[in-house]
Amino acid sequence: TQLLEQSPQFLSIQEGENLTVYCNSSSVFSSLQWYRQEPGEGPVLLVTVVTGGEVKKLKRLTFQFGDARKDSSLHITAAQPGDTGLYLCAGTFTGTASKLTFGTGTRLQVTL
Amino acid sequence: DAGVIQSPRHEVTEMGQEVTLRCKPISGHNSLFWYRQTMMRGLELLIYFNNNVPIDDSGMPEDRFSAKMPNASFSTLKIQPSEPRDSAVYFCASSLRGYQESTIYFGEGSWLTVV
Repeated sequence: TQLLEQSPQFLSIQEGENLTVYCNSSSVFSSLQWYRQEPGEGPVLLVTVVTGGEVKKLKRLTFQFGDARKDSSLHITAAQPGDTGLYLCAGTFTGTASKLTFGTGTRLQVTL
Repeated sequence: DAGVIQSPRHEVTEMGQEVTLRCKPISGHNSLFWYRQTMMRGLELLIYFNNNVPIDDSGMPEDRFSAKMPNASFSTLKIQPSEPRDSAVYFCASSLRGYQESTIYFGEGSWLTVV
């Protein structure tokens, strides 16, 4: 069973601060996705990365996939209250392409 | 366009009762997923259908859980008999083509409480 560890579990910061959350696995990802989930809603896909070393940007969010494809990070610049939510990484692994395994998530709160 | 539609949004039931959760995927999507989310275990895949056929049901906890997809626009997840440990949010999701080739869209979830 592949495990995805996310850190930190909880993060409370003030508006304007920068932050980084991490996703790690002991196995090599075939692909990795980041989702954001708001209270009372389902997760919403933010990005998919497939190539080691890949960097993708989505406005103030920067996603990086590790060279060895075993880890990823999400960096948010100048956080805003609207960034509040649960950030989930999810990956597929070689031989289990039909199963997307989710991490336990990082719960982010951005206050004014 | 309508997203993935789940019902009921909230259900409270007594232990031992049958629970049926329903899902209407996005029209035209051929992959459907049932997930369960709890604080302790996070988001877990229960079962995955492709073209209405179950492809991977290894995440179904036990025989008390069953899922069907009689046609491309409807799926059910049934728990019989229900137990307090089944309390969770159950999400249905759909995609055009599996995981890696297209985006997965989640419904708003069915919040189940078994007392």
